[in-house]
Amino acid sequence: AQKITQTQPGMFVQEKEAVTLDCTYDTSDQSYGLFWYKQPSSGEMIFLIYQGSYDEQNATEGRYSLNFQKARKSANLVISASQLGDSAMYFCAIFRGYQKVTFGTGTKLQVIP
Amino acid sequence: EPEVTQTPSHQVTQMGQEVILRCVPISNHLYFYWYRQILGQKVEFLVSFYNNEISEKSEIFDDQFSVERPDGSNFTLKIRSTKLEDSAMYFCASSELGQTYGYTFGSGTRLTVV
Repeated sequence: AQKITQTQPGMFVQEKEAVTLDCTYDTSDQSYGLFWYKQPSSGEMIFLIYQGSYDEQNATEGRYSLNFQKARKSANLVISASQLGDSAMYFCAIFRGYQKVTFGTGTKLQVIP
Repeated sequence: EPEVTQTPSHQVTQMGQEVILRCVPISNHLYFYWYRQILGQKVEFLVSFYNNEISEKSEIFDDQFSVERPDGSNFTLKIRSTKLEDSAMYFCASSELGQTYGYTFGSGTRLTVV
């Protein structure tokens, strides 16, 4: 079974500052993928970034980067230069191949002007 | 960019009524999924579907739920007799065969049971 742990239920960050959202995972699989999704108050799930377990480089997508530490089983999301529009719930998730995605409980990020 | 389309975006139904949530997966994807998110909680897996049959289901997916791919493009979730606790956001997703990156979620249907 796969498990995701997000220990920060809520976080505040000043606009234009960087913020790190924590995610640790547990899996016995050798091959797996890790996602981060953003969920604004409107409810849709917005894909942010993906990291494969065999990827040697940390994934980056614009202002988002994933700090992947495989030995520690952590996949933290770093958002640089926070914007007011970044205020949302953020979910870390893990899956393997075509199997179900397992989500964490989420972190609510609030960006302060 | 290809996307998973879900309709309606919001549905209100009376308790005890049947409801069908519709999804159009990405055309070359072969695996289809439904997930549920009760307000304020995490997203939970309901069911996966491949080759016209259920490949995995969770304990949430009991006899009141069913899925169908009626015409080769749509993928539906039916709730036979809705309960108040079925109120949630329902997400459809699809993925390519064996592709770890190709997992795509729809924007969700917010179901409200009154």
